[in-house]
Amino acid sequence: QQQVKQSPQSLIVQKGGISIINCAYENTAFDYFPWYQQFPGKGPALLIAIRPDVSEKKEGRFTISFNKSAKQFSLHIMDSQPGDSATYFCAVLNYGGSQGNLIFGKGTKLSVKP
Amino acid sequence: GAGVSQSPSNKVTEKGKDVELRCDPISGHTALYWYRQSLGQGLEFLIYFQGNSAPDKSGLPSDRFSAERTGGSVSTLTIQRTQQEDSAVYLCASSARTGGLSGELFFGEGSRLTVL
Repeated sequence: QQQVKQSPQSLIVQKGGISIINCAYENTAFDYFPWYQQFPGKGPALLIAIRPDVSEKKEGRFTISFNKSAKQFSLHIMDSQPGDSATYFCAVLNYGGSQGNLIFGKGTKLSVKP
Repeated sequence: GAGVSQSPSNKVTEKGKDVELRCDPISGHTALYWYRQSLGQGLEFLIYFQGNSAPDKSGLPSDRFSAERTGGSVSTLTIQRTQQEDSAVYLCASSARTGGLSGELFFGEGSRLTVL
């Protein structure tokens, strides 16, 4: 059973456009929602994260929107640049739970065309 | 170096052989994770070590997979009698604590395993 569903699988955006990636989860015990960015040949790296006490978090061109009632969260990349081309993973964690590992979505491959 | 170090970066082996993959976490990080990344399958959790606690092995796909962490630092993932479906990139990550205050995992660059 997939605990976090990520879409789309791939995304092509023109330079300057907005990239939107969505994730949905089932378990209401999850209370930490990070996004990781992975470039080819590299390990994933934390991009931005949110806790459920806020509905939005913005860091530069990257914004997480969180909808607790719908159990969904999304990553918005404003003014997308070719350097943003990478694979993006959402993840969930029950921070106060006994399971310490992040559960990842299947990833979205983003290509930003110049 | 300051980051998570993994070796080998690439490993090609024949079906049925055993392989060992090594992870050297960031100094002082108490939590260590192994994930497997297959094409189109995202990041699959394998095993998690936290301090001196018993490891969480709930993600290991079969009894051919095992891992140990010596002295609370270096970890080795062992795959016995490798199969072609074991071909993947094996990623190691470490964290300052369970999930970390920020939940940040620091990943290595991975070990790419190819089973012929």
